[in-house]
Amino acid sequence: DVKVTQSSRYLVKRTGEKVFLECVQDMDHENMFWYRQDPGLGLRLIYFSYDVKMKEKGDIPEGYSVSREKKERFSLILESASTNQTSMYLCASSPRGGNHEQYFGPGTRLTVT
Amino acid sequence: RKEVEQDPGPFNVPEGATVAFNCTYSNSASQSFFWYRQDCRKEPKLLMSVYSSGNEDGRFTAQLNRASQYISLLIRDSKLSDSATYLCVVIPYGQNFVFGPGTRLSVLP
Repeated sequence: DVKVTQSSRYLVKRTGEKVFLECVQDMDHENMFWYRQDPGLGLRLIYFSYDVKMKEKGDIPEGYSVSREKKERFSLILESASTNQTSMYLCASSPRGGNHEQYFGPGTRLTVT
Repeated sequence: RKEVEQDPGPFNVPEGATVAFNCTYSNSASQSFFWYRQDCRKEPKLLMSVYSSGNEDGRFTAQLNRASQYISLLIRDSKLSDSATYLCVVIPYGQNFVFGPGTRLSVLP
C-alpha cells in the first residue's frame, strides 16, 4: 500500500518566517510533486521532481523552492512566508512516466499571519 | 478560458438517484484523463481512469468525447458515502496533470 506522509497537518507561521514542508514516500517512486489547493482554483502545481537532485518549476513557483536530496524525500521551502501563501499544501508521488496515478499525502494546512 | 472547467455544484441528490458531472478541457492535445475523489479535509484519491471507449466500474461510468473536448462521470444508485468532491484531471501530451476545480456532491438521506 502506497504511503505518502507529510511532516505536519497544521502549521501556523508568521510573515517573513522561513517554512519547511517535508514529504516522504515509501514506494520508491521517481516522480514527486508539490501542489497548493485553494477554494475555486483547484490544485496548482508549484514544483516537481523526476529524480534525485532534479527539480522543475510548475505553474506557480514564485516564492517557493524545493530540495530533493534523497529519492523518498521532497521538501518545499517558503523562504519568507507571506499571507498569500496561506493554503493547503499537498505532496504527491508517482512512478516514472507522465500518465501514472499520483498518490497524495494527507496535506498540510498552512496559515501565515 | 481555464484549461479544465467543472461545474462547482453543489449537487444535492437523494439516495438512489443518478447524477452526472461534466468536465471540459481546452487543450486538444490532451491524451490522458482521470477522475479523482476528494473527501472533506482529505487528500485526493484516484476514482477511475477515463478511456476513449468509455469505461465502467460498478456504479460509476466514465466517458470521453474528444470531438467536444469533455469527459463525464455518471454515478448510479447514489449512496451517502458518495458525498465528496470529484476532481477532473487532464494530461496534455508531454505535460503534467491539470486539475479541474472540482464538483461537490452531497447525497442526502
